[in-house]
Amino acid sequence: QVQLVQSGAEVKKSGASVKVSCKPSGYTFTTYGISWVRQAPGQGLEWMGWISTYNGNTYYAQSFQGRVFMTTDTPTSTVFMELRSLRSDDTAIYYCARDLGAFVISPDSWGQGTLVTVSS
Amino acid sequence: QSALTQPASVSGSPGQSITISCSGTTSDVGAYNYVSWYQQHPDKAPKLMIYDVTSRPSGVSHRFSGSKSGSTASLTISGLQTEDEADYYCSSYTTINTLVFGGGTKLTVL
Repeated sequence: QVQLVQSGAEVKKSGASVKVSCKPSGYTFTTYGISWVRQAPGQGLEWMGWISTYNGNTYYAQSFQGRVFMTTDTPTSTVFMELRSLRSDDTAIYYCARDLGAFVISPDSWGQGTLVTVSS
Repeated sequence: QSALTQPASVSGSPGQSITISCSGTTSDVGAYNYVSWYQQHPDKAPKLMIYDVTSRPSGVSHRFSGSKSGSTASLTISGLQTEDEADYYCSSYTTINTLVFGGGTKLTVL
């Protein structure tokens, strides 16, 4: 069955960067895009961006432009999300999610989430 | 891109039906039939319940249904059960190749 396994929890200082990995399984890696969504404590879902696992194209939410970078490594079937210049309000659970198609931004299956804590 | 507008909370008794609205604009909900609904229980990842406005993924109960009129989408849950108590989020693809979520609705089953 479809599974997305994310890397473990991270604790970072303000100003640092964090890189979270997401390894999907149970389907052909390049046939579905991957979205990244975060959820601050007690808050709602916030879409960060999307990457095509087929050709590496990306779309980012305006609020993260210049700070977020999504990459894909096809040989290992892994997707990465790097967030730079961390602030305390970046403390959140970060989810990767498989989208409904190769060029569709519509998450269906979700990873378990990665807690990123940013301290000053 | 502003978040879609959902009621903060709704409630219902077991067996009743409830509807959660999701209001957007002509740049998102009103532009395409790419509205999804997610259920999230505490400390769990979201689960897709409805996609493309009305489609149900395999394994999701027929008690969950979706609809859309203009720039407002709706999720209806019929025959409420205690396990339906959760947070619900709508999302929509937008005209600038992004995704926008609603603020979330807490469903309480009384």
